[in-house]
Amino acid sequence: SYVLTQPPSVSVAPGKAASITCGGNNIGGSSVHWYQQRPGQAPLLVIYYDDDRPSGTPERFSGSKSGDTATLTISRVEAGDEADYYCQVWDSSSDQPVFGGGTTLTVL
Amino acid sequence: QVQLLQSGAEVKKPGSSVTVSCQASGDTFSTYTIGWVRQAPGQGLEWLGRLIPITAIAISAQKFQGRVTITADKSTHTVYMELSSLSSDDTAVYYCAGLSGATGYFDIWGQGTLVTVSS
Repeated sequence: SYVLTQPPSVSVAPGKAASITCGGNNIGGSSVHWYQQRPGQAPLLVIYYDDDRPSGTPERFSGSKSGDTATLTISRVEAGDEADYYCQVWDSSSDQPVFGGGTTLTVL
Repeated sequence: QVQLLQSGAEVKKPGSSVTVSCQASGDTFSTYTIGWVRQAPGQGLEWLGRLIPITAIAISAQKFQGRVTITADKSTHTVYMELSSLSSDDTAVYYCAGLSGATGYFDIWGQGTLVTVSS
């Protein structure tokens, strides 16, 4: 089955940029979506189709892909950005979504 | 904008079944595919299956085939997810989510339903 690999944790100082990676075999051929999940809340879509932002997602959030890695970048990180972040693709071979293991973003 | 409202928390015995409901507001119920995702305590997101309300076709994840049943009541705009043969490993928060496109992303989520399996 298809596997997406994320680092368990990323730490960043306020005002700096944070990058969260999502690795997968031939991920360049898939659309990657990103979710933010704050403690006790449901996931919230923050990036879809690699680099599109839903209305309501701050412009500080951006997505990109290169090779076998997709990246969520949060510029000028704020304390309110502390959360778990999950990447997701649709695996056509199994016809189901696949989620990365999640990355906890800590704002120092 | 469609909103998803889930049923309340449940406590179940091992070996029993649980049914979680997800009611969609708005008038786009028939065009949205509704998926089910669960999250065990301290763990990541796990896919259970989906249902296309307009066709009532339900597809469960291979891991849960035979244990998950997803149905819909069009008259009340409600999707149901039944999980049978419960064990302590099924203790989790269960989310319904609206799938944009047949194989896309989840742009709306229910608030989650905690299911606790304990003897």
